[in-house]
Amino acid sequence: DAGITQSPRHKVTETGTPVTLRCHQTENHRYMYWYRQDPGHGLRLIHYSYGVKDTDKGEVSDGYSVSRSKTEDFLLTLESATSSQTSVYFCAITSGSTLNTGELFFGEGSRLTVL
Amino acid sequence: AQSVTQPDIHITVSEGASLELRCNYSYGATPYLFWYVQSPGQGLQLLLKYFSGDTLVQGIKGFEAEFKRSQSSFNLRKPSVHWSDAAEYFCAVGASGGSYIPTFGRGTSLIVHP
Repeated sequence: DAGITQSPRHKVTETGTPVTLRCHQTENHRYMYWYRQDPGHGLRLIHYSYGVKDTDKGEVSDGYSVSRSKTEDFLLTLESATSSQTSVYFCAITSGSTLNTGELFFGEGSRLTVL
Repeated sequence: AQSVTQPDIHITVSEGASLELRCNYSYGATPYLFWYVQSPGQGLQLLLKYFSGDTLVQGIKGFEAEFKRSQSSFNLRKPSVHWSDAAEYFCAVGASGGSYIPTFGRGTSLIVHP
């Protein structure tokens, strides 16, 4: 258990509203990631963080922003949600022992529906 | 840039039958390779991984995978499938040169008939 908690687990919102998803980890891991999962696309990286206030974009970062003000929390924000952002969002971490290998540990996901 | 191909979107097998899920990767050096499983409504769980050494690796739940450098493949196998193996399976590659960003395949959905 990598100690990853995502919240909320389910959310329904309307187009144009802001949404923030939270990823919380309890084991002081340096690297954290946000992925979205869609049928036919597998997992696509949105943003990742390599330390407090250190973040970078992934392949599908448009329409998303992130923040990491403390080690344990990595927030994903949709400033103005669109229907194309309806998806399942996964947070992941790389532990110290697996750092630099690409092995990830995943949270249970947050299902977001934008109407 | 690295890439991963899982050519089968869906695989259907009967319970008790053997299973092989295909994974091909593209990477210039020796890769780190992973298979993850995702049960419905759950996150991804690591099944097994290959970093170096013996090219046949054993994982959890009776799964194994074989790294074949000449074919750029890392196929997942199980000799006898159980109904509980029905899930989505993802192959992923991490760069051995030091990458914090793995690349995932699009996944293969395994359906198990009784």
